[in-house]
Amino acid sequence: SAVISQKPSRDICQRGTSLTIQCQVDSQVTMMFWYRQQPGQSLTLIATANQGSEATYESGFVIDKFPISRPNLTFSTLTVSNMSPEDSSIYLCSVGMGLQPQHFGDGTRLSIL
Amino acid sequence: GNSVTQMEGPVTLSEEAFLTINCTYTATGYPSLFWYVQYPGEGLQLLLKATKADDKGSNKGFEATYRKETTSFHLEKGSVQVSDSAVYFCALSDSAGNMLTFGGGTRLMVKP
Repeated sequence: SAVISQKPSRDICQRGTSLTIQCQVDSQVTMMFWYRQQPGQSLTLIATANQGSEATYESGFVIDKFPISRPNLTFSTLTVSNMSPEDSSIYLCSVGMGLQPQHFGDGTRLSIL
Repeated sequence: GNSVTQMEGPVTLSEEAFLTINCTYTATGYPSLFWYVQYPGEGLQLLLKATKADDKGSNKGFEATYRKETTSFHLEKGSVQVSDSAVYFCALSDSAGNMLTFGGGTRLMVKP
């Protein structure tokens, strides 16, 4: 299965600032996804990162708040913009290839003061 | 739309006890079903999967059978260990394999 590296692994940020999270895969993958896991909660899909085009966002998530890039088949970034304490979560990148199960990175643990 | 319902935790067991975590789903078409595990401070790892009715997924002593008639995919293990303490997520993917829908997660705590 693909090896997924996420950076940073954790960060503590000031409210009003923005943070960009990187997801690097060791092989080309068809699908890349970004999820949010709020404290003690399950995972919620933020968006599907599309290579060469705008990301597809789920209900409740907007591009201005969570801009996503995917310049190639092995790399994507998620930016959490204008952060508030409510954005404190684990953000996870996952990858998928057709009908194969999605595999996840170790996540980025984000705390906003 | 698709949905997954898991039994609420935490589930607390003694070492070597039998484990069942219930999972039921609602989906259109023919979804694939998964169990993921999240150990403390880590990301999600795929534990096992089943892609069609009556398939049994198994890994590390855990098993789950895809039951279409009861729309269930219950996770079982005959003898749990302290190292199995984690949060377990049941999930399904749509027929195209793109969208993952997760259950709420069940925290398992195994005491020595």
